Amino acid sequence: QKEVEQNSGPLSVPEGAIASLNCTYSDRGSQSFFWYRQYSGKSPELIMSIYSNGDKEDGRFTAQLNKASQYVSLLIRDSQPSDSATYLCAGLVYAGNMLTFGGGTRLMVKP
Amino acid sequence: DGGITQSPKYLFRKEGQNVTLSCEQNLNHDAMYWYRQDPGQGLRLIYYSQIVNDFQKGDIAEGYSVSREKKESFPLTVTSAQKNPTAFYLCASSIQGIIPHNEQFFGPGTRLTVL
Repeated sequence: QKEVEQNSGPLSVPEGAIASLNCTYSDRGSQSFFWYRQYSGKSPELIMSIYSNGDKEDGRFTAQLNKASQYVSLLIRDSQPSDSATYLCAGLVYAGNMLTFGGGTRLMVKP
Repeated sequence: DGGITQSPKYLFRKEGQNVTLSCEQNLNHDAMYWYRQDPGQGLRLIYYSQIVNDFQKGDIAEGYSVSREKKESFPLTVTSAQKNPTAFYLCASSIQGIIPHNEQFFGPGTRLTVL
């Protein structure tokens, strides 16, 4: 049973809009979360990490964590066609020092 | 340049052959990981190693073997016992220890195809 769930998409948004990507997790021991971007045929690239409840902003990206509701989200403002990729959510349980990945959400930003 | 390298980029294997995928890092990271990714899927953990000369099985270790003789290197062997090895293989590394970040960084990957 997957412990990190994502909607596979595709999520389609127009250029300049806000893209909202969501992730839920079942293991309450998960304490840190990571968003990776993966272009087709390439390896994942880390874009955000978050481990405290609330929002964390970095440029056009905002990660949100709600441990009580067990969800993580990634907002991409002013979406660009170059943001079109698959976004992977991953949770880390400290004790095992291992990441559990969701299946990824494919984002398509249309010009 | 610091980073993680994987070789080869593409690998073709015949039925019944063992093949070894290379992973090297010069980030001075203690922990290294091997993942498998199938089309349209997330990443599944094959093996991981937190220190030299020690490694543990992940979720899908059957048909795979690893070694960790040096801190910088964590090769993965795909044996003939792995029934469906065609996939994208990703190596990653991270700083060890109970710290909030513990981000894992990935190499460019090896795409293995069974002929």
